[in-house]
Amino acid sequence: DTGVSQNPRHKITKRGQNVTFRCDPISEHNRLYWYRQTLGQGPEFLTYFQNEAQLEKSRLLSDRFSAERPKGSFSTLEIQRTEQGDSAMYLCASSFSGSGARGTQYFGPGTRLLVL
Amino acid sequence: EDKVVQSPLSLVVHEGDTVTLNCSYEVTNFRSLLWYKQEKKAPTFLFMLTSSGIEKKSGRLSSILDKKELFSILNITATQTGDSAIYLCAVEFNTNAGKSTFGDGTTLTVKP
Repeated sequence: DTGVSQNPRHKITKRGQNVTFRCDPISEHNRLYWYRQTLGQGPEFLTYFQNEAQLEKSRLLSDRFSAERPKGSFSTLEIQRTEQGDSAMYLCASSFSGSGARGTQYFGPGTRLLVL
Repeated sequence: EDKVVQSPLSLVVHEGDTVTLNCSYEVTNFRSLLWYKQEKKAPTFLFMLTSSGIEKKSGRLSSILDKKELFSILNITATQTGDSAIYLCAVEFNTNAGKSTFGDGTTLTVKP
């Protein structure tokens, strides 16, 4: 396992459809983050998991967005009833934290979503 | 509201030039400041800064943090075309989540 992987890398969908993205973190990492990035802006925090527990959600994450990390390993981010404003790059990052130490976040390559 | 502001927004230089990128922040509960390089894909980690006045170096890149004035700079000496990228600054909060707020980045273009 050489890094964080995300699938798919690109997704084009029609407005109103549901989409689901997957993130596989670095295997020993217990923390997983989702971010959204639009052109010309830095990544915006969406949500965070420690193991399988979702501990924080941004107010940016509307009711149409849901994320899971069922076994504390991979995570999925689902967007229901997509809107054109959801078009963005969705980035996943993972890190290790334990015994008082907190590791650096390593990012995956992202899933670029285009909603037509 | 917490914010991270980077300047300049974009910069065009020629190979061999030295550049300085700026990052200022206003956040509550600061833990650390991070610099990332983003080419066409995901951000890749460059530096983590937690203490004022201690320079971190990696090859031609260096960075320093001033926690009193709430800013950091990233220096790149003898720039190369491969340094062309978006450079992102992020502040990590001292909460259990370790959540980060990012600036909008500085787009650096190095011309041959």
